[in-house]
Amino acid sequence: EAGVAQSPRYKIIEKRQSVAFWCNPISGHATLYWYQQILGQGPKLLIQFQNNGVVDDSQLPKDRFSAERLKGVDSTLKIQPAKLEDSAVYLCASRRGRGPYEQYFGPGTRLTVT
Amino acid sequence: AQSVTQLDSQVPVFEEAPVELRCNYSSSVSVYLFWYVQYPNQGLQLLLKYLSGSTLVESINGFEAEFNKSQTSFHLRKPSVHISDTAEYFCAVSGSSGSARQLTFGSGTQLTVLP
Repeated sequence: EAGVAQSPRYKIIEKRQSVAFWCNPISGHATLYWYQQILGQGPKLLIQFQNNGVVDDSQLPKDRFSAERLKGVDSTLKIQPAKLEDSAVYLCASRRGRGPYEQYFGPGTRLTVT
Repeated sequence: AQSVTQLDSQVPVFEEAPVELRCNYSSSVSVYLFWYVQYPNQGLQLLLKYLSGSTLVESINGFEAEFNKSQTSFHLRKPSVHISDTAEYFCAVSGSSGSARQLTFGSGTQLTVLP
């Protein structure tokens, strides 16, 4: 079974530029998450999708961050415009269903904003 | 709302020595508890989880954790560590139902096994 795929793995941009991250979850996983992991901290949930609907985006800075999951499979997270404090690893995770099932994480995208 | 406190940010230990990584949580609802491990430049991998039943849970690579409801703790232990156990370890909690089911992570403990 293929794992959660993310691209790119690394990205360096200047502040005020825009950037997009892509995630392909494990086949059949209905639930998809985006997390932000700042250096020295644990992952913080940004947004949760159930199929192609948003379950929780309460911690997503909506003035600059957006995410979509068209057709309930792949997902894209966008930042526009980026700020220095957005430098972090962005992790995508997927889970089979609504129960206490394990979340499977992708390798992450390391974003550096200069 | 849930929160997780990992008391030690860094734990250095010699190879073949025992180790304990501490985790305390707070929650107003019933919880599920998890330990994840993150190797350099990799995503998080589930190490073990407590959902219900026996309070002592074990992983396939020799780690174990015990759910202590009265002390709201879920400490991770291994009787003899290997160099390959060097990684960052995250404790996480989720509620057992509804919107509380999302994972809340601690800040992580970097375990460094020294030769």
